[in-house]
Amino acid sequence: EAGVVQSPRYKIIEKKQPVAFWCNPISGHNTLYWYRQNLGQGPELLIRYENEEAVDDSQLPKDRFSAERLKGVDSTLKIQPAELGDSAVYLCASSSMADEQFFGPGTRLTVL
Amino acid sequence: SQQGEEDPQALSIQEGENATMNCSYKTSINNLQWYRQNSGRGLVHLILIRSNEREKHSGRLRVTLDTSKKSSSLLITASRAADTASYFCATVNYGGSQGNLIFGKGTKLSVKP
Repeated sequence: EAGVVQSPRYKIIEKKQPVAFWCNPISGHNTLYWYRQNLGQGPELLIRYENEEAVDDSQLPKDRFSAERLKGVDSTLKIQPAELGDSAVYLCASSSMADEQFFGPGTRLTVL
Repeated sequence: SQQGEEDPQALSIQEGENATMNCSYKTSINNLQWYRQNSGRGLVHLILIRSNEREKHSGRLRVTLDTSKKSSSLLITASRAADTASYFCATVNYGGSQGNLIFGKGTKLSVKP
């Protein structure tokens, strides 16, 4: 069974530039999560989808961050414009009905 | 915001020794999970313990949960160099956090061969 796929694995951009991350969850997993992990910290939830509906986006900075999960399968997280403080690892995870979440390898974003 | 606090922040042991990590949390929970993260494999789920359970085993892992003290411990027995990683506890509260995982800051474990 293929795991959660994320791309790109690494991204370096100048501040004020846009950036997008892509995630393909495990087949059949209805719930998809985007997390941000700062250096030396645990992951923090940005947004959670149940199928194509964003059921919890309370921690998503909506002035510059947006996400979509068209057709309830893969998802894209976008930052526009990026700021220096957005440098972090962006993790995608998926789950079925169980509590266990399966994480992708993450995208390491560096904003210069 | 982060709910769990792992202790210690860093732990260095020799191969073959046991490693114990502790996690304290603030609010009531439905379950508590432990995850491992290393550069090679990303975040991997290790074990889940529900609020009505006190102890759970999985291979060389033993997890305890004390809801009266709002704390949990993860014991790795007979550690191996491959256990070198960061370990995170994460709590789930179906009501307060809508079932979302709230992670702590993690314990960095180094196992020396």
